Amino acid sequence: EPEVTQTPSHQVTQMGQEVILRCVPISNHLYFYWYRQILGQKVEFLVSFYNNEISEKSEIFDDQFSVERPDGSNFTLKIRSTKLEDSAMYFCASSEGVRALAEAFFGQGTRLTVV
Amino acid sequence: AQSVAQPEDQVNVAEGNPLTVKCTYSVSGNPYLFWYVQYPNRGLQFLLKYITGDNLVKGSYGFEAEFNKSQTSFHLKKPSALVSDSALYFCAVGASGGSYIPTFGRGTSLIVHP
Repeated sequence: EPEVTQTPSHQVTQMGQEVILRCVPISNHLYFYWYRQILGQKVEFLVSFYNNEISEKSEIFDDQFSVERPDGSNFTLKIRSTKLEDSAMYFCASSEGVRALAEAFFGQGTRLTVV
Repeated sequence: AQSVAQPEDQVNVAEGNPLTVKCTYSVSGNPYLFWYVQYPNRGLQFLLKYITGDNLVKGSYGFEAEFNKSQTSFHLKKPSALVSDSALYFCAVGASGGSYIPTFGRGTSLIVHP
């Protein structure tokens, strides 16, 4: 069964450092997403990406965040200057279609710990 | 804005008994409703969805959910729980006329006791 893979599974970084979270979406999918879950809280939408550009983003996705699809297979989330409150589980997802008719497939997540 | 509420942080049930995990939603427009499950150290896995049609939706692993428009609910059910069903369950909602990108609830931890 095809799956979305994320690396690393756990990343520890110092406050103020830049981190890049990596995702390999399912190969024939066209829409890509990042979500995050702060411990004990709900899963929050960050950004969606289609046709090499951001299609929608939440208020959480401010200037410290950026996404990129550098080589046609990877989909990355960069956090430029990490803050303690960025500590969370980050999930990548992909789907065939943008409408809700196409369910999203999620990766196993990257746990980011900012110290 | 669309939102989802999962009123129970944890549900405990004995193996073999029926289980229910509750979800209520709020949207403008027609809702698209989803259930996802997360096993330890795994990603979110799609279980089932309601877009339109029959209010009772059947999904993976014997789970089903009933869409109730008047109560704005989409409770997840299974007639006979297994220990292996123990996991974290997330309800999500999108909407026609609103954001099609699903908004998730906080999740409910289901614990099935042998």
